[in-house]
Amino acid sequence: DAGITQSPRYKITETGRQVTLMCHQTWSHSYMFWYRQDLGHGLRLIYYSAAADITDKGEVPDGYVVSRSKTENFPLTLESATRSQTSVYFCASSPSIYEQYFGPGTRLTVT
Amino acid sequence: DQQVKQNSPSLSVQEGRISILNCDYTNSMFDYFLWYKKYPAEGPTFLISISSIKDKNEDGRFTVFLNKSAKHLSLHIVPSQPGDSAVYFCAARPNNAGNMLTFGGGTRLMVKP
Repeated sequence: DAGITQSPRYKITETGRQVTLMCHQTWSHSYMFWYRQDLGHGLRLIYYSAAADITDKGEVPDGYVVSRSKTENFPLTLESATRSQTSVYFCASSPSIYEQYFGPGTRLTVT
Repeated sequence: DQQVKQNSPSLSVQEGRISILNCDYTNSMFDYFLWYKKYPAEGPTFLISISSIKDKNEDGRFTVFLNKSAKHLSLHIVPSQPGDSAVYFCAARPNNAGNMLTFGGGTRLMVKP
């Protein structure tokens, strides 16, 4: 199906474990983004990518790693999960510098 | 320090009346503003935007107003419908940071039938 998808939709993991959240878009958009949504903070940018093999830090990058070897995929890895990383994670893509299109989100709980 | 603020966490409006959602910003480099709507368990969806060269943009029942001198924008929904009940986020893009958006904390709108 066309669009932007995220997997898994729900994930429970333990402190210290590595976890990877997947994001896939079928539009061939150049830009891709990862946000986290926390109560009272809205959406905060973690990392973004302007094209394959080009990534850059956003507002809250600590504890996260990204890669973008293919235009359509933008995985987000938590190298050693902490409880403070419990959040809802949204991936987004954009063809330009204007509006972004969001995936359905991944709810991550770190115990 | 939040550069984009939505000071009202929630708003309740009667069906058919006007809903006004407000957003304030501090960064004078912001030149493009967007509103997103978010339903539970879904990602945000783009609603309407406005460039800093304009002070108003309309799309059907939705109108966004921008007051650059006050660093304030607002979203008007007329008439409000129960299906408009959602969380609304305003976002802003600076003219020197490509496609990076800064979001406000969101306002939960409840439209009562």
